[in-house]
Amino acid sequence: EAQVTQNPRYLITVTGKKLTVTCSQNMNHEYMSWYRQDPGLGLRQIYYSMNVEVTDKGDVPEGYKVSRKEKRNFPLILESPSPNQTSLYFCASTTHGTGGTKNIQYFGAGTRLSVL
Amino acid sequence: GIQVEQSPPDLILQEGANSTLRCNFSDSVNNLQWFHQNPWGQLINLFYIPSGTKQNGRLSATTVATERYSLLYISSSQTTDSGVYFCAVERGSGATNKLIFGTGTLLAVQP
Repeated sequence: EAQVTQNPRYLITVTGKKLTVTCSQNMNHEYMSWYRQDPGLGLRQIYYSMNVEVTDKGDVPEGYKVSRKEKRNFPLILESPSPNQTSLYFCASTTHGTGGTKNIQYFGAGTRLSVL
Repeated sequence: GIQVEQSPPDLILQEGANSTLRCNFSDSVNNLQWFHQNPWGQLINLFYIPSGTKQNGRLSATTVATERYSLLYISSSQTTDSGVYFCAVERGSGATNKLIFGTGTLLAVQP
């Protein structure tokens, strides 16, 4: 079964305590990305990765890091979380292509993060 | 950048009613997807529909790419249809695979 798996699903932490949210996909997709969802602001892209060792900033990258050492994994790292990073986070993956390829994006179940 | 507008912003239906949700976008797209976000926050992929019409049970969707809009039809609505419906598009260049989401339609289906 095609899956994007995020862990943990729920996380409560304190300001400044480093954390990592893992994301893994089993579809051999080249492209992976992270979004955050906030009330009134919708979903916004944080970082994306076109392939292994290729990452780039999305619209709201401040305070986040990512890595792509393996094709299937794309962890999101908060080195020093702050309360304004309290949000619902989604990982997504797709085949990378242009001009009409079926770039259906598959989303993980989401991670609810609260930073106190 | 590309703008994605959804209407109506919220909608209350009685169980069994039909509804049409609309998504307008401001530029050419090579990807358009409809999602349902359930009350637990999960994003469920409903349709990949950059053009044409598709149907899946009580749901169907139509995208008219030349006129830059897409419609999601829900027939014989059920309480389990409640949640937020998002339209998301990817720009025509396809270079980044970034999805731009609309602000969503909040649907409440009452028994």
